[in-house]
Amino acid sequence: GAVVSQHPSRVICKSGTSVKIECRSLDFQATTMFWYRQFPKQSLMLMATSNEGSKATYEQGVEKDKFLINHASLTLSTLTVTSAHPEDSSFYICSAFNEGGTEAFFGQGTRLTVV
Amino acid sequence: GEDVEQSLFLSVREGDSSVINCTYTDSSSTYLYWYKQEPGAGLQLLTYIFSNMDMKQDQRLTVLLNKKDKHLSLRIADTQTGDSAIYFCAEGTGGYNKLIFGAGTRLAVHP
Repeated sequence: GAVVSQHPSRVICKSGTSVKIECRSLDFQATTMFWYRQFPKQSLMLMATSNEGSKATYEQGVEKDKFLINHASLTLSTLTVTSAHPEDSSFYICSAFNEGGTEAFFGQGTRLTVV
Repeated sequence: GEDVEQSLFLSVREGDSSVINCTYTDSSSTYLYWYKQEPGAGLQLLTYIFSNMDMKQDQRLTVLLNKKDKHLSLRIADTQTGDSAIYFCAEGTGGYNKLIFGAGTRLAVHP
């Protein structure tokens, strides 16, 4: 199947700093990517839909100024957690549909720890 | 609204079959998915079924869909210890639209 690569897999940052997470579709083009957040032993919570060349669509309750999404090319979307705080510590996962729009593939996830 | 429900935990003996169940509410769902997540990893797409199908089989995996009851199941034959993971059911309407996930079923395989 198609490959979605996420980087970094783990990151530790200090409170108040910003962290950027990259999501790449390696062998296909993705006009739409999705960013999820997963708390321990819980399901995935959709944060936003990233649209190539336009603004992201955020789910209710997600602060768009805190979680900046940029989808500048057909193979790359980035999520920047700005002014991170310990409560932002979580597992962040991105996904993208294959070009037929039938199968959604996921990145490996990024474990963010804010200290 | 849209909702997907799964039982949270399943324990099976190695070599037995596992059946993980899922119910959904959105009648416009076009695709139904099963994903596997191992600790600290992303989600691996196991299989998916189109809403006009009743069954799909892929090696040890069998997916059954009862569209009338909005019930989906995943059967894993000859369950192995490597199958221990969390299994997520998800539904989508196609067309690059977002998926709605269940809470996940933790499958524990014991000797």
